[in-house]
Amino acid sequence: DSGVTQTPKHLITATGQRVTLRCSPRSGDLSVYWYQQSLDQGLQFLIQYYNGEERAKGNILERFSAQQFPDLHSELNLSSLELGDSALYFCASSVAGGREKLFFGSGTQLSVL
Amino acid sequence: TQLLEQSPQFLSIQEGENLTVYCNSSSVFSSLQWYRQEPGEGPVLLVTVVTGGEVKKLKRLTFQFGDARKDSSLHITAAQPGDTGLYLCAGVGQAGTALIFGKGTTLSVSS
Repeated sequence: DSGVTQTPKHLITATGQRVTLRCSPRSGDLSVYWYQQSLDQGLQFLIQYYNGEERAKGNILERFSAQQFPDLHSELNLSSLELGDSALYFCASSVAGGREKLFFGSGTQLSVL
Repeated sequence: TQLLEQSPQFLSIQEGENLTVYCNSSSVFSSLQWYRQEPGEGPVLLVTVVTGGEVKKLKRLTFQFGDARKDSSLHITAAQPGDTGLYLCAGVGQAGTALIFGKGTTLSVSS
């Protein structure tokens, strides 16, 4: 158990809909990262937050947004969903947000039908 | 754009065999990490290599960082079914903080 909690574990929705994925980092970790994993693209970095502030941005679509709340949990919002958004979405956390070890949650499997 | 290329993409071997997987880039990385991911789970860190030429051992797994810090390899001796999984290498991207990952090597070890 990594200590990172992601909910829900599975999500099935339709094209055009909006969903919210939730992540609770390990106790004491200030940084939260979101990654998208698909068979063809691998594990793609989306966005990082550190202590409530956006720290780094990767290949995140404009239809996607995220935030980190004062209690350090984070949410990833995906809107106007398309079939191609079907993927595993991982949240990871780390103590500070530098080059140290990342702890990953078990992921949310999103299926867009 | 910094990319990490991993090879082979898939590897299927028998228990007891040795294997090596590779992680290559045209860019220099200050450090590289290796993760293993099992089905239904997130990646778990195995090791971090920092110094060019560094060799680290974790039981039957040997990790090496290239002298120029552009490549790394993972060698498994006498593979076991429990070694089955997706092996990912990762390095800190040019943005400075976020890890970027290679696409991984899927290893299957049968008994």
